[in-house]
Amino acid sequence: GAVVSQHPSRVICKSGTSVKIECRSLDFQATTMFWYRQFPKKSLMLMATSNEGSKATYEQGVEKDKFLINHASLTLSTLTVTSAHPEDSSFYICSAREISGLPYEQYFGPGTRLTVT
Amino acid sequence: QQQVKQSPQSLIVQKGGISIINCAYENTAFDYFPWYQQFPGKGPALLIAIRPDVSEKKEGRFTISFNKSAKQFSLHIMDSQPGDSATYFCAAGASGSARQLTFGSGTQLTVLP
Repeated sequence: GAVVSQHPSRVICKSGTSVKIECRSLDFQATTMFWYRQFPKKSLMLMATSNEGSKATYEQGVEKDKFLINHASLTLSTLTVTSAHPEDSSFYICSAREISGLPYEQYFGPGTRLTVT
Repeated sequence: QQQVKQSPQSLIVQKGGISIINCAYENTAFDYFPWYQQFPGKGPALLIAIRPDVSEKKEGRFTISFNKSAKQFSLHIMDSQPGDSATYFCAAGASGSARQLTFGSGTQLTVLP
């Protein structure tokens, strides 16, 4: 089946530093990748949609200069949290849609736990 | 913002029982309704999904019931097992260039042995 990986699975960083999270589709090509944020015991909040080779589309209220998204290839998207602060601590999850897959089907990565101290 | 309302927030069921989780939506443009299962510290995994042209879909112990006129859909887990203990999210998708999913608030299911 379609597998999506994320790296790292956990990261702890100091306030003011930047952190990069990678999302890879391992056995399929993904035209579209989504980035979500999830707070403890809460639902998934869509942050942005990225298409390979074009700029990401950010949801209302998500700072594009703080959450930099790059989708440079059909198998890799990255989320960089710039100048991280404790309020950015969260569980970040990506998902990918296969080029030849069903229109809505998204395969989710295992998530990245970010803790900003 | 488009919303999908999910209930209950938490559910405790005895082993072998039926777990029922409900979702309701307002946007009639939604035409895809999946259910996801999420274990702690993991990403969501697709369980089962339905389109509005059918009223029910069954896959193993999992069944989606869909009521288009009421704009409601539900997940039934038959013969619930302790291994089913997880958080379940309903979602809905509308036709569009991105076909994003809107998620419900989640239901934490605990199946007692």
